[in-house]
Amino acid sequence: GAGVSQSPSNKVTEKGKDVELRCDPISGHTALYWYRQSLGQGLEFLIYFQGNSAPDKSGLPSDRFSAERTGGSVSTLTIQRTQQEDSAVYLCASSIVGGQNQPQHFGDGTRLSIL
Amino acid sequence: AQTVTQSQPEMSVQEAETVTLSCTYDTSENNYYLFWYKQPPSRQMILVIRQEAYKQQNATENRFSVNFQKAAKSFSLKISDSQLGDTAMYFCAFMKPDDLIQGAQKLVFGQGTRLTINP
Repeated sequence: GAGVSQSPSNKVTEKGKDVELRCDPISGHTALYWYRQSLGQGLEFLIYFQGNSAPDKSGLPSDRFSAERTGGSVSTLTIQRTQQEDSAVYLCASSIVGGQNQPQHFGDGTRLSIL
Repeated sequence: AQTVTQSQPEMSVQEAETVTLSCTYDTSENNYYLFWYKQPPSRQMILVIRQEAYKQQNATENRFSVNFQKAAKSFSLKISDSQLGDTAMYFCAFMKPDDLIQGAQKLVFGQGTRLTINP
C-alpha cells in the first residue's frame, strides 16, 4: 500500500525566499507530524495535527514557520524568508490514533538547501 | 521535559557479530513508550522495535531485541547475527501518551548512532 508521500524530494532555494513542503499521509491516518533533521543530528519535533483538534505548534522554531492541514489529509509546511540555518531534511510522519499505541510511519523527507 | 541520550555516535562490527546500541532517557512519567528507528541512506525512518513501559518483558523482533531497564531508564538495542543491510543510523525515541488521545504525541529522539556492518 501507499506510504507517506513527501514532495519535493529536494529543494534548493535562495536565502530570503519562501518555500512550501508537502506531505500526503497514509490514507486513514488522522495524526500527522512534522520533524526537522539537521545534518548529523537527531529529529526535532516541529508540529503535529490530530483530527479537528488545534495543532500542537510547540516545536516551531520561529514565526517564519507555519503549517496547515486541509481536509484532515494533506499538510503543507511553509517557511517564509528562509535563512541558511533552515537547511535540513524535513520529515513528515502519520499514524492511526486510538486504542493501543500506534507507531508513526515516516516519509522519505524533503532535503532543503538554502544558498 | 523528556530527554533521550545516545552516547555512541558511531559503531562498527563485522558481519554476523552481535552489537548493542545504548540509549538512556530522562522522564518523570510512569507510563510511556520507547522506540528504535533505523534510517538507512535513503532517509526513510523505519520502525525497528517498540516497548511499552508498563510491560516488564523485553520486546523482540527476529534478530532485534531490547534490554529495557525501567529503574535505570535504559533502553538498549541488541542486533544479533548482524547483516550488511543493518548498516544505518539508529535512533532511540521516547513518547508520552496523550491522556486524551492515545498515541497522538510527539516523539523525542536521541542524537543517533551510526552503525556500520563490515563484510
